[in-house]
Amino acid sequence: NAGVMQNPRHLVRRRGQEARLRCSPMKGHSHVYWYRQLPEEGLKFMVYLQKENIIDESGMPKERFSAEFPKEGPSILRIQQVVRGDSAAYFCASSPSGTFSGANVLTFGAGSRLTVL
Amino acid sequence: AQSVAQPEDQVNVAEGNPLTVKCTYSVSGNPYLFWYVQYPNRGLQFLLKYITGDNLVKGSYGFEAEFNKSQTSFHLKKPSALVSDSALYFCAVRDDSGYSTLTFGKGTMLLVSP
Repeated sequence: NAGVMQNPRHLVRRRGQEARLRCSPMKGHSHVYWYRQLPEEGLKFMVYLQKENIIDESGMPKERFSAEFPKEGPSILRIQQVVRGDSAAYFCASSPSGTFSGANVLTFGAGSRLTVL
Repeated sequence: AQSVAQPEDQVNVAEGNPLTVKCTYSVSGNPYLFWYVQYPNRGLQFLLKYITGDNLVKGSYGFEAEFNKSQTSFHLKKPSALVSDSALYFCAVRDDSGYSTLTFGKGTMLLVSP
């Protein structure tokens, strides 16, 4: 049973390019979360999605960032026109399908490390 | 708004000694509390959680945590540290009032010396 799969593990982009990060949740999980980790800041929540729905995007920057979780395929975090400040580790997590419970444990992927030159 | 404070950026302990990593929280409802560990260049791994019941929660790798409602704390402990416990530890909280995000502290680096 594969865990949460993220790719690419490392991504280098030049300023102004687009970055696409992909996340496949664990089997049987339909809740997906994206977090960003910056040095000295810990993990910051970005967005919570279920299949075809964005449930909470309160942590997403208003511009350049978007996320989706289509009916088929992985969840994608998209960053347009990247800037140096976007350099960070982006982690995806998933939790079990069914009615949401705050007690559910999030299972994290290994992360995607974005470097913007 | 919910929040987590991990007051120590780093904790140093000698192998074989007990360790404590501190965490305090703030939520509007009843808390669900979690500890995760992160090894270099890896994702976060779940250690333990408190939902309700016994205030002392036991988790993976010999770790435990004590929930203290009056002090709003959830400190992580281990009776005897191992060098392999050296890692970054995150405390996290959610409230129980319907959907809420999982909010993390900034993390505490634990360094266990031989």
